[in-house]
Order: sequence, then C-alpha cells, then structure tokens
Amino acid sequence: EAQVTQNPRYLITVTGKKLTVTCSQNMNHEYMSWYRQDPGLGLRQIYYSMNVEVTDKGDVPEGYKVSRKEKRNFPLILESPSPNQTSLYFCASSLRGRSTGGQYFGPGTRLTVT
Amino acid sequence: RKEVEQDPGPFNVPEGATVAFNCTYSNSASQSFFWYRQDCRKEPKLLMSVYSSGNEDGRFTAQLNRASQYISLLIRDSKLSDSATYLCVVNYADSSYKLIFGSGTRLLVRP
Repeated sequence: EAQVTQNPRYLITVTGKKLTVTCSQNMNHEYMSWYRQDPGLGLRQIYYSMNVEVTDKGDVPEGYKVSRKEKRNFPLILESPSPNQTSLYFCASSLRGRSTGGQYFGPGTRLTVT
Repeated sequence: RKEVEQDPGPFNVPEGATVAFNCTYSNSASQSFFWYRQDCRKEPKLLMSVYSSGNEDGRFTAQLNRASQYISLLIRDSKLSDSATYLCVVNYADSSYKLIFGSGTRLLVRP
C-alpha cells in the first residue's frame, strides 16, 4: 500500500529535550515536506526537500532541523523544543516538487511541549 | 492579507443540498491549484486538482478564474459523509515548489 508513515503519532515532552519525528514514504517520491498545523493559522511549511541531500527552508523553519540521506526518509529534528512548538505536524511527499497530483500526507504527529 | 483566503464557515446544509466554496489567492504567478479535504484530527487528502478549463469528479466540480484569482468548489447532492474541512491550496510557479494552504472552510451536512 502506497503511504507516508510518521512516528510517533503522539508525543508529550519537556522543554529542551531533543526529539526526532520520523517520516517515511514508499512511493519513490522525490519531494518531501514538513508542515505544522495550528488553529486559525492553517498548514505552514517548515522545511522541504527536492531530493536526497537537497533541503530548504519553508515559512517557519526556526527551531527545526531536517536531513534527507535517503530518498524514502525525511526526519524532523527539534534540538531544543519549546512550548510554542506544540502543534500537529504532518509530513508529505509527492513525485516531484511541482506535481499535478498534489501531495500525500502522513497521519500526523501531535506534539505537546511542556 | 493572507496569500490564500477562504471563508471559514461553517456552512451548515441539509442532505441533498448544493453548496459552493470560493477561495481567493493573491499571487498571480500561482501555477497549480488543488482542493484538499481534511477530517477532524486527520491528515489532509487530495480531493481534486483544479484545471484551467474546470473539471468535474462525480458530485464535485472545481473552477478556476485566473483573471479574478479565485477558485471554487461546488458539491452537489451533499451527503452526511461530505462533512469535513475543505482546504484550498495553491502552488507557486517558482523554485520553491511551495504549497500555500488556506485555513479551510468547514462544511456540516445535517440529516
């Protein structure tokens, strides 16, 4: 089954404790992206990757890091989480950056930072 | 001004009704357009791409008006299962390949 998976799905952590949210896709997609969704603000892009070893900042990259060492994986790293990073996070992928087929989203990771 | 604007709703309609949503975008260089559907606490899912000539998929019809910079979604014969938030999404024609999401329009279909 073609899918984007994320882990963990739910995470409660404390300020300053490094964490990683994994994202993996099995569709051989070149393009991957991370978004956060907050009430009233909609989905905002954090980072995106056009292909292996190619990453770039989205609209709200502060406080986040990413890496793309393999085509299928695009982990999101929070080196020192803060309460304002409490949010719902989605990973997405598409065949190419500009895809008429849109993007496929993972199931989401609900992060709470206390 | 937001780059992609939608009426947040909610639109509360009876089963069988026809309902239409509009969405406006500010960047005239926008190239690709989509409607996504998002159920509560779930991931967005692509409902349909929007083509310049307009397109239809069953009960759903999407239209694009580049001159006025808006796109629309028409849902005919609404079903209870259509209750969800509908996201308007625009893709810029630049090197960022960024998707810009509207905040969504909430639809409630009642029996």
